[in-house]
Amino acid sequence: TQLLEQSPQFLSIQEGENLTVYCNSSSVFSSLQWYRQEPGEGPVLLVTVVTGGEVKKLKRLTFQFGDARKDSSLHITAAQPGDTGLYLCAGEVWGAQKLVFGQGTRLTINP
Amino acid sequence: GAVVSQHPSRVICKSGTSVKIECRSLDFQATTMFWYRQFPKQSLMLMATSNEGSKATYEQGVEKDKFLINHASLTLSTLTVTSAHPEDSSFYICSAPLWGHEVPNYGYTFGSGTRLTVV
Repeated sequence: TQLLEQSPQFLSIQEGENLTVYCNSSSVFSSLQWYRQEPGEGPVLLVTVVTGGEVKKLKRLTFQFGDARKDSSLHITAAQPGDTGLYLCAGEVWGAQKLVFGQGTRLTINP
Repeated sequence: GAVVSQHPSRVICKSGTSVKIECRSLDFQATTMFWYRQFPKQSLMLMATSNEGSKATYEQGVEKDKFLINHASLTLSTLTVTSAHPEDSSFYICSAPLWGHEVPNYGYTFGSGTRLTVV
């Protein structure tokens, strides 16, 4: 069974601060995807990283895929209250059309 | 584009009855769809992979006779929770792959979920 360990599971910080969320596994994934989920809704795709060492930026969000394709990070710069939500990493299993999700990070940005 | 519509959004049913949840791809065809279950404050757990025109593939520990999946067309997959019990109460979400559709990312598009409460 492939597992993704996501940390921290809860994070509450002040507006303007920076933060990093980590996603680690002992397994290699064909891609690593990051989603954001609002209460009572399905997850919405933020980004997909595919190549080992790849870095993608989405405004104040920076996503990185580890060289060995086993881990990933999400860094948010100058967090804003609108960034509050549940962030989920998900690894795409090699040779199979399915995702393994991390436990999620519940992020709260206080004004 | 690439929207998955899921209905109903909420359903309350009596213990012992069956409930059907629909997942439709609105502007694309999905030969494969996925069904997840999410408990409060927890992440998504894959239940099964729905394949158009063939049997669904269930994850280990998921009862195929309890969670019936039908994928009769390229735009519709259904999940039926049979003989529902209170422990089946959960948030059920469907998804479909975005390959060949949306750019710049490929990934998966998710329905808005169904909150099932069994009383």
